[in-house]
Amino acid sequence: QQQVKQSPQSLIVQKGGISIINCAYENTAFDYFPWYQQFPGKGPALLIAIRPDVSEKKEGRFTISFNKSAKQFSLHIMDSQPGDSATYFCAASGSLRAAGNKLTFGGGTRVLVKP
Amino acid sequence: DADVTQTPRNRITKTGKRIMLECSQTKGHDRMYWYRQDPGLGLQLIYYSFDVKDINKGEISDGYSVSRQAQAKFSLSLESAIPNQTALYFCATSDGHRSDTQYFGPGTRLTVL
Repeated sequence: QQQVKQSPQSLIVQKGGISIINCAYENTAFDYFPWYQQFPGKGPALLIAIRPDVSEKKEGRFTISFNKSAKQFSLHIMDSQPGDSATYFCAASGSLRAAGNKLTFGGGTRVLVKP
Repeated sequence: DADVTQTPRNRITKTGKRIMLECSQTKGHDRMYWYRQDPGLGLQLIYYSFDVKDINKGEISDGYSVSRQAQAKFSLSLESAIPNQTALYFCATSDGHRSDTQYFGPGTRLTVL
């Protein structure tokens, strides 16, 4: 049973375009939603994260949009660059104190940015 | 992240063999995790440890065991490896007090023939 569903599985975008990855979750106790970026041969690394008290968070070209009522959140990569080619994972966890930051991951999206 | 190291990086073994994957960290974090990565399934939590005396099962612990030898070391064992345990294995650490961020090692690619 996958509690965090991620789509699409893969994505090809032209340089300068917008990449959009969507995630949906089921557990209403989740209150921390990070995105991790993974390059080939490397471990995942935190890219950006959001808590449900805000609907959007932006860091450079990366934006998380969060819809609490729909239990959905998405990652937008603006002005996509070839260096953004990687696999992106959404994740969710409960409160740090209650859940001990155990992350539940989505299935991943492989993004390829063509020059 | 160079602060989290995993050995070996690649391992090929045969069905029925015992395998140990090791993780060390220099971040001073209390919390350590073992994940398994399979294509299309993301990362699934195998075991996690909040300190040396606190070890917990994750989503997919069957067929695996762990040992937390020290704050900095967390090992994953496959007592009798089987082919469907072929996967990428990642260790991660977190502070657990001030931050939710998990820091991952470079991974171990395990192939069970």
